[in-house]
Amino acid sequence: EDKVVQSPLSLVVHEGDTVTLNCSYEVTNFRSLLWYKQEKKAPTFLFMLTSSGIEKKSGRLSSILDKKELFSILNITATQTGDSAVYLCAVEDNYGQNFVFGPGTRLSVLP
Amino acid sequence: GAVVSQHPSWVICKSGTSVKIECRSLDFQATTMFWYRQFPKQSLMLMATSNEGSKATYEQGVEKDKFLINHASLTLSTLTVTSAHPEDSSFYICSARSTGGVETQYFGPGTRLLVL
Repeated sequence: EDKVVQSPLSLVVHEGDTVTLNCSYEVTNFRSLLWYKQEKKAPTFLFMLTSSGIEKKSGRLSSILDKKELFSILNITATQTGDSAVYLCAVEDNYGQNFVFGPGTRLSVLP
Repeated sequence: GAVVSQHPSWVICKSGTSVKIECRSLDFQATTMFWYRQFPKQSLMLMATSNEGSKATYEQGVEKDKFLINHASLTLSTLTVTSAHPEDSSFYICSARSTGGVETQYFGPGTRLLVL
């Protein structure tokens, strides 16, 4: 059975801290791994990862995939209160017909 | 952990027909479910919030007569795409909100719709 596990489930930090969010997966026919940030309504797309070892970066956020060990990490440096959200990891299967979402990591950044 | 299922996983239909997609929370009760549509570049758009026992709340720009939502029970919400057209072809994802303990949204696997 395909599944995605995220850790930690909840995290509280102070502004300026660096955080690492983890996502591990078991998917039969892996196609891509996606990270989303969910604040209020729809999750906002952050990254799509398909190849191992290639870091994707956007401002203070970066992510990398390890297809051998079946995990990905999302790093946020110099966190700000606006980074407070639920971060979702989702894995897409090779036929593009299924997503498996993780439970999310709830990040709270305190001033 | 909590599981949300969608049925069917994918569907191909002719233009003008209606398609019903089911979203079920398998091991928890969900008074609120959400329907999303995936757009290019992986973005997700919230279409509507489905509330058990009451009318759905639609986001601006989403036609309620086109996308009928019914939340008949605490474990089932349905989205019916009426008179589907090729531009309705997309990936539709639902999520269900668990109210036990820390409020969490659990996402379904999605339904891919192709309208010919």
